[in-house]
Amino acid sequence: DTGVSQNPRHKITKRGQNVTFRCDPISEHNRLYWYRQTLGQGPEFLTYFQNEAQLEKSRLLSDRFSAERPKGSFSTLEIQRTEQGDSAMYLCASSLAGENYGYTFGSGTRLTVV
Amino acid sequence: GEDVEQSLFLSVREGDSSVINCTYTDSSSTYLYWYKQEPGAGLQLLTYIFSNMDMKQDQRLTVLLNKKDKHLSLRIADTQTGDSAIYFCAEMRFDKLSFGAGTTVTVRA
Repeated sequence: DTGVSQNPRHKITKRGQNVTFRCDPISEHNRLYWYRQTLGQGPEFLTYFQNEAQLEKSRLLSDRFSAERPKGSFSTLEIQRTEQGDSAMYLCASSLAGENYGYTFGSGTRLTVV
Repeated sequence: GEDVEQSLFLSVREGDSSVINCTYTDSSSTYLYWYKQEPGAGLQLLTYIFSNMDMKQDQRLTVLLNKKDKHLSLRIADTQTGDSAIYFCAEMRFDKLSFGAGTTVTVRA
């Protein structure tokens, strides 16, 4: 298994454009999480899925953000009408429900909105 | 702000021990974790401890848990230059991880 894979690694976009990120979790993991990390801060929870069901969304997730996990495998996170405040590292992680060994994180997608 | 609190910076001489401290707020947290993040990279799980334990040792890493004070620490023995990174404490709350702001550890020769 190659771990959690995120694409792209870096994205630079103009304000107002839409962007989409992809996460491929560890194949046997049924839970998938999205976090956002800004400079000097720890990761902040955005949303998570168990299989294809989105179980929770943070208050941080405005209506410009949407996440999907259509077949219970990979997930996408879309940001519409990007703003400069959306610039951050977006981290994906996966785990197996019921296990408490922590999450496996991907390398993240760094978004810069100019 | 975060419910998990950590000191922001630690400078340590190569070969010495590093101790990173963390306080958390939810006494019902069952598992607590330490993650490491190198520049531009994702988070790497270093170790975790179950709340009914007060100590866990894993090679150069020792985790101490004081559940009464909700205090967690990570000791790195014989700190090396490769240990320079940001270290995050995290607790499992409401079925998801909540992180502190991270402690930046700088190892000087």
